[in-house]
Order: sequence, then structure tokens, then C-alpha cells
Amino acid sequence: GAVVSQHPSWVICKSGTSVKIECRSLDFQATTMFWYRQFPKQSLMLMATSNEGSKATYEQGVEKDKFLINHASLTLSTLTVTSAHPEDSSFYICSATIPTGQGIYNEQFFGPGTRLTVL
Amino acid sequence: AQSVTQLGSHVSVSEGALVLLRCNYSSSVPPYLFWYVQYPNQGLQLLLKYTSAATLVKGINGFEAEFKKSETSFHLTKPSAHMSDAAEYFCAVSDPGNTPLVFGKGTRLSVIA
Repeated sequence: GAVVSQHPSWVICKSGTSVKIECRSLDFQATTMFWYRQFPKQSLMLMATSNEGSKATYEQGVEKDKFLINHASLTLSTLTVTSAHPEDSSFYICSATIPTGQGIYNEQFFGPGTRLTVL
Repeated sequence: AQSVTQLGSHVSVSEGALVLLRCNYSSSVPPYLFWYVQYPNQGLQLLLKYTSAATLVKGINGFEAEFKKSETSFHLTKPSAHMSDAAEYFCAVSDPGNTPLVFGKGTRLSVIA
């Protein structure tokens, strides 16, 4: 089956620093990757849609200058949390899809998530 | 806009008892529906999915769900709960194509010995 990895699996950083999270599709090419955020004991909320070679599309309320997304290749998307603050502490999960065409089900494969703690 | 509602944030069952986790959806187009399980500090694992084929969908670990259009429901069931089923369960919906998932708030399943 298709595998998506994330690195790091957990990170602790000081307030004001930037943190980069990588999402890789290991055995397939993903033209689209999605970034979700999950606060403790809550559901997953879509942050942004990342398409290879183009700018990410952010959901309402998500600051694009704070959460920088780069999808430079068909197997790698990165999320950089800039000037992180304690309220950014969360579980960040990415997913990648194998494109099969419009109107057809595209299964999403989820990464294992990255736990970010900002002190 | 699509949405899913999971009834009951916490469900507790005895080991060996029936598991029933409820999910109702709202979608303007025929939806794709999913159930995922999440263990503490881990990612999501797909249990099963409905993508407009058979309305009764069988998944992993003995779980199944039935798509009922008339009731806009996609409830998850398992005949006999195991201790290892204790986890958080999420129902999700998406449109056809390369679209993100919209998740419900989740239901925490506890299994009592």
C-alpha cells in the first residue's frame, strides 16, 4: 500500500523559532497533499491544500505567512511554522492522494503525524 | 457545504458487546464516506470507505458500515468489541475527485472488561 512519512514525529521548540515539518510520499507520486491540524481531544481541521509546483491554498483563518507550505516535488511537501508560539502547539498531519482523474475517488493516505510543542 | 455529525463524543461498551458508532452526513452531491481510527499519539488508520459501490461496506478488524441515503447515515458497527478497539473514531466525508476530507468531531470508544 501507499506509504506517507512525516519528519520529525515530534518536536519541541522555543517560542519565536521556526519549525519545518516534512511530508513524503514514499512509493508514489502525489500531485496533491493536504495539511491538517489536530488540537488535543479535537478533530482534524484542514489547514491547506498543497499542489506540486504551485502556491498552496489556505483555509479561512489560517495565516499563510505563518504556516509556509512548499510542495517542490511530487513526493515532498513541507510545512514551516514560522515564529512559533505556544498556541501553535498541536498535532500536524499530512495526507497525499494518488490522482486518478476528476470525479473519481482519490484515496488519501495519511502520514503518522508530527507533535509540535512550543514552549 | 459538506459536513458530518458524530452522535456521542464518548461511547462505552463491554468487551464482547456490539459496537455502534453513529455518523450522519450532509452533502450536496453523492458523497464518499470514510471511517478512520486513531490510537493515542498516532496517525489515522482507514477502517473502511464508501465510494458509491455496495452500500454495506466491510472494513478491517471486523468493522462494517452501511450507507443509508434515506437517513443520510453511515453508522459503524462491530458485532463483538475487543479491548484493542478502544480508540478515537472519526467519520469523514469528501466530494469526488482530489478533494480534502471533512472530519466529524470524533467518538472515543472505551471497552470495559
